[in-house]
Amino acid sequence: AQSVTQPDIHITVSEGASLELRCNYSYGATPYLFWYVQSPGQGLQLLLKYFSGDTLVQGIKGFEAEFKRSQSSFNLRKPSVHWSDAAEYFCAVDLLSSGSARQLTFGSGTQLTVLP
Amino acid sequence: DAGITQSPRYKITETGRQVTLMCHQTWSHSYMFWYRQDLGHGLRLIYYSAAADITDKGEVPDGYVVSRSKTENFPLTLESATRSQTSVYFCASSTGLVGTYNEQFFGPGTRLTVL
Repeated sequence: AQSVTQPDIHITVSEGASLELRCNYSYGATPYLFWYVQSPGQGLQLLLKYFSGDTLVQGIKGFEAEFKRSQSSFNLRKPSVHWSDAAEYFCAVDLLSSGSARQLTFGSGTQLTVLP
Repeated sequence: DAGITQSPRYKITETGRQVTLMCHQTWSHSYMFWYRQDLGHGLRLIYYSAAADITDKGEVPDGYVVSRSKTENFPLTLESATRSQTSVYFCASSTGLVGTYNEQFFGPGTRLTVL
């Protein structure tokens, strides 16, 4: 069965440090890939997405992600974390379901804590 | 206000009661979705709707009923709530335009507790 794995349930980094959140997917073909962020008490906001082409994609809030086909990974990175980045981060894939109904499959999330 | 809203934001109910969670969007998006979010599972799709009067099951539909009589509203009903339905529920919508990727936009969520 297709799946999305975020192996890190919780990550703690110091403000100003670099960040990498891991995401692996299990699927025969390359799906559409996404990273969402959920701040406390808020809905999900799209950070970035990958459909095809350049494997390094830039998103909002200074985030980027790199697609590696050989590793079935789509890791999220940020060179210098800000206290406001503390949130939960979800990786998601769209398994190219038929028609226009995009069905997202989400990973279990990574909770990011930022230390002052 | 423009966007996608959910009500109530918080709800406590008892086992066996009927509960309806509301979702309203002002973008006239064709597609609407209901997800539940549980620790360790991320978000899982319950039901989705391609247009008014068209609905379909997602990954975890059991125990839930949806309807969509108007494009802008997509209520989710738990006909007889169970403790296992304690969760945070998110509604989302997307345009459904053919030939382009349709990003989903999420509401703020409803936290439901079933005692």
